[in-house]
Amino acid sequence: EQQVQQSPASLVLQEAENAELQCSFSIFTNQVQWFYQRPGGRLVSLLYNPSGTKQSGRLTSTTVIKERRSSLHISSSQITDSGTYLCAMERDSGTYQRFGTGTKLQVVP
Amino acid sequence: DAGVTQTPRHEVAEKGQTIILKCEPVSGHNDLFWYRQTKIQGLELLSYFRSKSLMEDGGAFKDRFKAEMLNSSFSTLKIQPTEPKDSAVYLCASSLENYEQYFGPGTRLTVL
Repeated sequence: EQQVQQSPASLVLQEAENAELQCSFSIFTNQVQWFYQRPGGRLVSLLYNPSGTKQSGRLTSTTVIKERRSSLHISSSQITDSGTYLCAMERDSGTYQRFGTGTKLQVVP
Repeated sequence: DAGVTQTPRHEVAEKGQTIILKCEPVSGHNDLFWYRQTKIQGLELLSYFRSKSLMEDGGAFKDRFKAEMLNSSFSTLKIQPTEPKDSAVYLCASSLENYEQYFGPGTRLTVL
């Protein structure tokens, strides 16, 4: 059973467009983390967002715990934003994160 | 401060061989995770340690995969014997308890 669902699976944007990536969980979570990965690259933490809204530069994450969902908004996309975005949930203290299968983003000129 | 380091970066093994992958977590972190990443399955947990104690062993990976944490600054993942289906990227991550995870660059394993 895939406990973390991400949508869309892939997305193509024109440069400067905004993107909204979604993550939903089949079970309760109290912590959500968003990651970014270039092909062959390291997973890089973007935002650690247990609940509410958190912003870092052009990225804004909104997590609604009771609705078991989180979103990542990318504003004014750039070509260098291309890559895979993963969300992960942690169920409760002391247990490990479960990852979604990712959204593959391609930003074109 | 160094991030998570993993060695080797690439490993090629013959079917049936034993391989050992290494990980050094961020200094001071007390949680350490081993994952396997493939295009089809995404990230799958292999092992999870807290303060060197094994908390999760990844269920389906028990029989041929063994992770150890000999001290707080070093962990190994042994795969014995390797099979072609083990070809994947193996990732190590660390975190302070209940805080965000930091990942290493991964080891790309190819089993022939």
